Amino acid sequence: EAQVTQNPRYLITVTGKKLTVTCSQNMNHEYMSWYRQDPGLGLRQIYYSMNVEVTDKGDVPEGYKVSRKEKRNFPLILESPSPNQTSLYFCASSLNSGGTYNEQFFGPGTRLTVL
Amino acid sequence: QKEVEQDPGPLSVPEGAIVSLNCTYSNSAFQYFMWYRQYSRKGPELLMYTYSSGNKEDGRFTAQVDKSSKYISLFIRDSQPSDSATYLCAMKAYNQGGKLIFGQGTELSVKP
Repeated sequence: EAQVTQNPRYLITVTGKKLTVTCSQNMNHEYMSWYRQDPGLGLRQIYYSMNVEVTDKGDVPEGYKVSRKEKRNFPLILESPSPNQTSLYFCASSLNSGGTYNEQFFGPGTRLTVL
Repeated sequence: QKEVEQDPGPLSVPEGAIVSLNCTYSNSAFQYFMWYRQYSRKGPELLMYTYSSGNKEDGRFTAQVDKSSKYISLFIRDSQPSDSATYLCAMKAYNQGGKLIFGQGTELSVKP
């Protein structure tokens, strides 16, 4: 089944404790992206990757890191989480990032709470 | 001012009603317009996609884009309780790679 998977689905942690949220897709997509979803603010892009070893900042990158060492995986790293990073996180992928539109497929989400 | 504005609702309608969901935007470079549906505790799923201006129909759903007014709409006819979800508009410009700009989302509840 074509899908985007994320782990963990739920995470409660404390301020400053490094964590990684994994994202994997099995559709051989070049483009991958991380979003956070907050009430009243919709989905905002954190980081994106157009291909292996190519990553760039989105609209809200502060406090996050990413890497893209393999095409299928795009982990999101919070080196020192803070309470304002409490949010619902989504990973998404699409065939490529070309000029025309390519449908973005979303993972099931990771609900993160930072105490 | 946000690039994309969407009334967050919540919106509650009786089963069988016609639902109208709307977004306005400020960036005239947007050319691709999407509606995503998000059920509770799930990721967004693409519902409708329209390129440039015009209408697109898919079953009970109709998407409209009016680029002159910078306004897009999603109409749901004969709404069903299974349509209860959050609806997100999203937009993309040709020269912005894969970046989508989302509205805040409208929470819809269809009561039996």
